[in-house]
Amino acid sequence: QVQLVESGGGLVKPGGSLRLSCAASGFSFSDYYMSWIRQAPGKGLEWVSYSSNSGSYRNYADSVKGRFTISRDNVKSSLYLHMNTLRAEDTAIYYCGRGRFLELLDYWGQGTLVTVSS
Amino acid sequence: QSALTQPASVSGSPGQSITISCTGTSSDIGGYNYVSWYQQHPGKAPKLLIYDVSNRPSGVSNRFSGSKSGNTASLTISGLQAEDESDYYCSSYTSSTSLVFGGGTKLTVL
Repeated sequence: QVQLVESGGGLVKPGGSLRLSCAASGFSFSDYYMSWIRQAPGKGLEWVSYSSNSGSYRNYADSVKGRFTISRDNVKSSLYLHMNTLRAEDTAIYYCGRGRFLELLDYWGQGTLVTVSS
Repeated sequence: QSALTQPASVSGSPGQSITISCTGTSSDIGGYNYVSWYQQHPGKAPKLLIYDVSNRPSGVSNRFSGSKSGNTASLTISGLQAEDESDYYCSSYTSSTSLVFGGGTKLTVL
């Protein structure tokens, strides 16, 4: 069965960096687009970034553009989110999601919590 | 990209039908048939309920249905059940090659 397992979250100081990982199993990872979505405590969902199946195409929400980088390793069936210059407003649960393209997310991981605080 | 507009809350009694609206622009909902709906129970990951405006993934109850008119999409839940009490989010593909979500709607089953 399809499984997505995020890791790498934790407490980081403002201005710091963090790398999130999403390990995929149960499907042919290299065939699917993948996205990162976040949810601040008590708030709604916010799309963060997507990667095409080959990694050639990517895009980012304006709120993270220039600070976050999405990447993937199709051999390891893993998706990554490199987060730099973190701000308090980046505090959220970060989910990875599998997409047909970008327009739908049919499977989600359980999320990993990132807290940006001094 | 501004968030899509959803009502903050809706409520209904068991057995009734409710509809949640999701309003965007011609650059997202109005421009593409790529509207999805997600259900999220507290402390859980979202679950896909509807995709491509009105399609249900395998395993999703036919009590859930979706539609779209112009820049507004709607999710209807018929035969409301206690387990439907949850948060619901719409999303749409956008002309900026991005995804935008609605602010979410809390459904209370009375």
